[in-house]
Amino acid sequence: GENVEQHPSTLSVQEGDSAVIKCTYSDSASNYFPWYKQELGKGPQLIIDIRSNVGEKKDQRIAVTLNKTAKHFSLHITETQPEDSAVYFCAASIPDRGSTLGRLYFGRGTQLTVWP
Amino acid sequence: NAGVTQTPKFRILKIGQSMTLQCAQDMNHNYMYWYRQDPGMGLKLIYYSVGAGITDKGEVPNGYNVSRSTTEDFPLRLELAAPSQTSVYFCASSLLVQGGQPQHFGDGTRLSIL
Repeated sequence: GENVEQHPSTLSVQEGDSAVIKCTYSDSASNYFPWYKQELGKGPQLIIDIRSNVGEKKDQRIAVTLNKTAKHFSLHITETQPEDSAVYFCAASIPDRGSTLGRLYFGRGTQLTVWP
Repeated sequence: NAGVTQTPKFRILKIGQSMTLQCAQDMNHNYMYWYRQDPGMGLKLIYYSVGAGITDKGEVPNGYNVSRSTTEDFPLRLELAAPSQTSVYFCASSLLVQGGQPQHFGDGTRLSIL
């Protein structure tokens, strides 16, 4: 199956600074890469996603970049705010291969803390 | 839409007891999933279902069972609770995933086995 590595495991930034979280994946057939934000006591919530035919996607202060050759993708948060503090997960999905159909493979998560 | 609803939110079990974690979605999604999340770890897939009557094992299925009799419901059964099953359990759902579709998560069930 797919193996997703995520770094760093913890990240502390000052309010207003940028934060970058990086993930690598092992299966070159992966074609869908969502990012989830998980607040304390809640389930993961999708914040942005990117497909393999796109190199970059932006939504207000959040952007994701994908490098298929190097098999890595990154989450960029600009002008961070205290409410951005949460655990962020990256994931990768492989297209239809019988039993792997529909599965997401998750990284271990990054605890982001934004200090006021 | 309520999205994905999980019950109960918290539960404490004694070793050897059994229980069912409930999951329901009202988005008419055909795919449903059960994950467990241990501290400092990502989400591990327990079981998933591609539609009513069809289920398949994920990465960590031992000690669990599932059924999918309707599109909306996907309960997870623990038959003989063990301390290693202490975790937070998340249910998720999605549409057909050709080309990739996001999974929508419930808020989890926090389970302790003592």
